[in-house]
Amino acid sequence: AQSVTQLDSHVSVSEGTPVLLRCNYSSSYSPSLFWYVQHPNKGLQLLLKYTSAATLVKGINGFEAEFKKSETSFHLTKPSAHMSDAAEYFCVVSQRGYQKVTFGTGTKLQVIP
Amino acid sequence: DTAVSQTPKYLVTQMGNDKSIKCEQNLGHDTMYWYKQDSKKFLKIMFSYNNKELIINETVPNRFSPKSPDKAHLNLHINSLELGDSAVYFCASTPALGTNTGELFFGEGSRLTVL
Repeated sequence: AQSVTQLDSHVSVSEGTPVLLRCNYSSSYSPSLFWYVQHPNKGLQLLLKYTSAATLVKGINGFEAEFKKSETSFHLTKPSAHMSDAAEYFCVVSQRGYQKVTFGTGTKLQVIP
Repeated sequence: DTAVSQTPKYLVTQMGNDKSIKCEQNLGHDTMYWYKQDSKKFLKIMFSYNNKELIINETVPNRFSPKSPDKAHLNLHINSLELGDSAVYFCASTPALGTNTGELFFGEGSRLTVL
């Protein structure tokens, strides 16, 4: 069984300040973990993924996430928010080699000028 | 050169009608999915096909019928549309079983509005 919890449904930051979007997961096996971004009226785009290699994963647009097995967390961070980062972010867990993919409920990131 | 393409992008229809949404992927992937995203942005898997074979069928009313004529296409037909069917429907694909990491490749979505 697997599940994913995004701890905040809405996060608001000022432009130029750090971003932290929190995600905790539960999995009976070694998981793959992903962050996707969805801009308004758009499809989902992969930001970054963890698939058992380095625990600190760098993605597009300056985002990164750290896989912490002891804390079952995969939080998404960015040092400095940009207006274009305003979007919905989804944390996702899956089992490698299988089709079962579980989405979190999403975190809406608002960036204030 | 769109990897996963869905048509139509927007669909407005009356209750009780029947409609279809088409999806095609040119990535050579074996597995395709339909997801429903409601007004609260929650994404719920509906169906998954692996090489034309249905492998995931979540609790979806049988008014929804997926069809996969080949592994590059997965269409969704909806009969007797209801107000609650209004949502954005996303098609996605992933590489073959045993090789994939779980990464999904999404289409742009099809926004269905039932009046």
